[in-house]
Amino acid sequence: GAVVSQHPSWVICKSGTSVKIECRSLDFQATTMFWYRQFPKQSLMLMATSNEGSKATYEQGVEKDKFLINHASLTLSTLTVTSAHPEDSSFYICSARGFGRRPRNEQFFGPGTRLTVL
Amino acid sequence: GDSVTQMEGPVTLSEEAFLTINCTYTATGYPSLFWYVQYPGEGLQLLLKATKADDKGSNKGFEATYRKETTSFHLEKGSVQVSDSAVYFCALAPSGGYQKVTFGTGTKLQVIP
Repeated sequence: GAVVSQHPSWVICKSGTSVKIECRSLDFQATTMFWYRQFPKQSLMLMATSNEGSKATYEQGVEKDKFLINHASLTLSTLTVTSAHPEDSSFYICSARGFGRRPRNEQFFGPGTRLTVL
Repeated sequence: GDSVTQMEGPVTLSEEAFLTINCTYTATGYPSLFWYVQYPGEGLQLLLKATKADDKGSNKGFEATYRKETTSFHLEKGSVQVSDSAVYFCALAPSGGYQKVTFGTGTKLQVIP
């Protein structure tokens, strides 16, 4: 239980295009989802926190107009990288927190999405 | 603000060697402490956790004890295996919940046969 999936697992796109990454909680309802970015050989950087049905809260320095987050249901959050550029290439990881069969408030991480912008 | 400092890697060990990865933290109150593991090409998996001082988290032969007096949460394993090769992240969450997790920079472990 407590499985979080991400789709796609990897994506290559041209500079200037937009890319959507999905994060799904498969067996529990995720009231809160988090989006992280991981640079090579570095730690995870929290980008934003999204609660179902409300606007995401972005961390300082993260462009909300560039990284659009939608958390429309209790099992799905999406991150859209708009007008992607090579510097947006990174590993994006989501996590989900909810109240289900698992211990309350624990975060469960997805497998990550590797984005490469040419 | 909260911060986590862990030893830099990579750490290379022979199979069956003893492992220690140091982790210290700075936080107000009584945070919860975690160790996450990331295998190549995969996301993070929770390895173990401790929620209060002197608690010992353990899983798959790994252990870590929450030391309030030294603000540390060192990861140990008595006998590592090749399959333990991964990146290990120490992390903390503020007391009262898991709202925002602060991660250390990660330590890459490579175990050779």
